[in-house]
Amino acid sequence: SQQGEEDPQALSIQEGENATMNCSYKTSINNLQWYRQNSGRGLVHLILIRSNEREKHSGRLRVTLDTSKKSSSLLITASRAADTASYFCSGGSNYKLTFGKGTLLTVNP
Amino acid sequence: DTAVSQTPKYLVTQMGNDKSIKCEQNLGHDTMYWYKQDSKKFLKIMFSYNNKELIINETVPNRFSPKSPDKAHLNLHINSLELGDSAVYFCASSLGQPFYNSPLHFGNGTRLTVT
Repeated sequence: SQQGEEDPQALSIQEGENATMNCSYKTSINNLQWYRQNSGRGLVHLILIRSNEREKHSGRLRVTLDTSKKSSSLLITASRAADTASYFCSGGSNYKLTFGKGTLLTVNP
Repeated sequence: DTAVSQTPKYLVTQMGNDKSIKCEQNLGHDTMYWYKQDSKKFLKIMFSYNNKELIINETVPNRFSPKSPDKAHLNLHINSLELGDSAVYFCASSLGQPFYNSPLHFGNGTRLTVT
């Protein structure tokens, strides 16, 4: 079962704009994690939100979690060209994280 | 200081050959993973090890054989390579299970091309 499906598949914005990505999952989770992948690199952990939390902030990142809808969103404020990457989400489960295809974010200078 | 390192970074080989990919982590983690990322960016878990013991095997063909000589190492050996094995393979590690709020740390991947 897939514990992370990102939407949209691709997003293109101008520098300075905000970017919002969504994530849906299928079964109960203990936490929801977001990762970034730059081209040619491995995934880098961005932020983790626990199932009893509704919102979490980290710098320019804001994550929300709605366990009743089994969905999460990642907001990147005041985007920069360096934010260009693929973003993945996954629900934390026993000994594995499963991911979707990610959202490819392109921030144009 | 590379936390999770994989070698080689690139691997080009012919069908039918056998190859290995090595992974080492210096984070003191007890859980390690292999993931496969296809050309469409879909990232799929293959194996998960905890304290050198196999925990997860996601219906991977038995041509793929992971080996964990100790908690810091998880190698992947692939026999009789096929064209469909071409992908980027990522090693990752965590302290305990993701269920208990442990994020994964990924290596930079090994791009395998089978011709």
